[in-house]
Amino acid sequence: AQSVAQPEDQVNVAEGNPLTVKCTYSVSGNPYLFWYVQYPNRGLQFLLKYITGDNLVKGSYGFEAEFNKSQTSFHLKKPSALVSDSALYFCAVSLAAGNKLTFGGGTRVLVKP
Amino acid sequence: EPEVTQTPSHQVTQMGQEVILRCVPISNHLYFYWYRQILGQKVEFLVSFYNNEISEKSEIFDDQFSVERPDGSNFTLKIRSTKLEDSAMYFCASSETLTGPDSNQPQHFGDGTRLSIL
Repeated sequence: AQSVAQPEDQVNVAEGNPLTVKCTYSVSGNPYLFWYVQYPNRGLQFLLKYITGDNLVKGSYGFEAEFNKSQTSFHLKKPSALVSDSALYFCAVSLAAGNKLTFGGGTRVLVKP
Repeated sequence: EPEVTQTPSHQVTQMGQEVILRCVPISNHLYFYWYRQILGQKVEFLVSFYNNEISEKSEIFDDQFSVERPDGSNFTLKIRSTKLEDSAMYFCASSETLTGPDSNQPQHFGDGTRLSIL
């Protein structure tokens, strides 16, 4: 079984400040980890993934995430948030190529000017 | 950039009626998926499809649901007799297949079909 937890329903941050969205996972095996962003009335847009290799992965729009195996975490970060980053963010895990994604409950990010 | 397209964007159906949701995956992708998102809740996996057959399905995907790839471009989800609790946003996704260490390519999602059951 696999599961993902996003402990914060909402994160508020001022524009220009660093943004962190937390994610922890549980899988039996090596995880494939993903972050997606959802804007209103749109589908999920891929931001970044961790498969293997360097624990710090860089993705679209200045986002990055750090894989921490001992803490089973994959937190999303952005050094300087923009108002346009306000959206719903989902962490997801799968076990192999072509397998289903299991999503966390989502974290709403609100960046205030 | 190629996109997954879904039609219609909004479907309103009477309870008990059949509904077909349509998707055109990205053209060189070989894995196809359906997910749903009930309002305010998490995104849930329904079914995955590869090589013209279902590769995995969830408990939600019962006998009322079916998927089909009727031609080389479309991928459909049919609900035979809709229930009120089927009201949700339904997302189609597709992914490439690659071999080697970078084989788990991300799934690309369409904008969804909002299904409202009356």
